[in-house]
Order: sequence, then C-alpha cells, then structure tokens
Amino acid sequence: GQNIDQPTEMTATEGAIVQINCTYQTSGFNGLFWYQQHAGEAPTFLSYNVLDGLEEKGRFSSFLSRSKGYSYLLLKELQMKDSASYLCAVRWPGGGADGLTFGKGTHLIIQP
Amino acid sequence: DAMVIQNPRYQVTQFGKPVTLSCSQTLNHNVMYWYQQKSSQAPKLLFHYYDKDFNNEADTPDNFQSRRPNTSFCFLDIRSPGLGDAAMYLCATSKQGRGEKLFFGSGTQLSVL
Repeated sequence: GQNIDQPTEMTATEGAIVQINCTYQTSGFNGLFWYQQHAGEAPTFLSYNVLDGLEEKGRFSSFLSRSKGYSYLLLKELQMKDSASYLCAVRWPGGGADGLTFGKGTHLIIQP
Repeated sequence: DAMVIQNPRYQVTQFGKPVTLSCSQTLNHNVMYWYQQKSSQAPKLLFHYYDKDFNNEADTPDNFQSRRPNTSFCFLDIRSPGLGDAAMYLCATSKQGRGEKLFFGSGTQLSVL
C-alpha cells in the first residue's frame, strides 16, 4: 500500500522558523504537494515539487529528495495565522487520474 | 472569481435518510473529485470523474454514489447514511494532465443524527 508519514503535531514560536518533514513510500511518483488547511476549511495549495531540490515561495519553501522519499516544508517568520494543519500529498501513477494520496497532516501550533 | 463551490456548508441528516451534497465549478476543469475527511485524518478519495468517465475507488462503500450531469456540476449521494459517515466532504477539481494541482471547495460538514 501507499504510505505517507508526517509528525502529528508541532509547536513553534511566532517569528521563528519551523520545518515539517514528510516521508513517503508509493508505487511510483509523479510529484509531491503541500497544502495548508485551517480547522473546518478546505485545503489550499502551498507548493509542488516534482524534481529534487528546493522551491521557494515567499515565507514558504519546500524541498524534495526522490531517492530518499523525503520532503520538507519550511516556514519562516512565523505568524499566528500560520497555525493550521499542513498536509503532504503524493501523486503516483495508480492514484486515480491526477488524484493525490494525502498524509494525515501535521497540526502546527504557533505560540506568541 | 473562478472557483469551486460546495453547498451546503453544513448538512444534518438522520440515520438512514438519503442525502445529496452538491459541487459546482467555474474553472472548466475536466476532472472532479470527492474526498471524505474525518477529524484529524487525511482526506480519502472516494471517486472521481475524468470528463464523464466515473472512477470508483476500490474501498468506497456502495452506499456512496455520484453523478456528474455536466462539466460544471457534480453530486455526492449517500443512500443510507450511518453514524460513521459523519465527516467533512471535499469536492476538488483539476485540469487534465499530471502535475496539475487540485482546487478544493470549502467543503460540506455532514452530521448524522
């Protein structure tokens, strides 16, 4: 089966930096997504990696190593509004026409 | 703005009473998905439409059905909701082709009494 692992919960301080890790074992790989989900709301797209390396987008960066089955999401200059769940999702050939398999998400708590 | 719209935002139904959730999109995307998400769990793909072609996930219960009368609309029918079907139901769309991100609606939170 497909397996995507992320920490269940993390706590960080406003203004600091936090790294959320994701490891995956899937039958093939067609890209990895990070989504942000506030409580009771739909996931919103943050980043997409299909090649190895770092993708930077403002305060958020995402890294991928396909050989290690590993990705991380880096959040800088944390703000209180960044308190949310962060979902790692992998697209793989059997995942149903562009469908994604999601991890359970990492609940990030930002403290003042 | 082009978007994915789900109605209603909150739906309460009774045990065993059929319920329909709706989704519409103005993005003209040809792929539409229904995900089920229970509290603190990953969204789970129930099925998707690739244009008019319906694709059911192997472990989706028969109790869940879907209709897509045209490109813009997609419905999720739960024929006999059980207590275990209480969840957030997320509709999403994407353009054809790999690497395209999913656009999600705001979801419908279903409660079963």
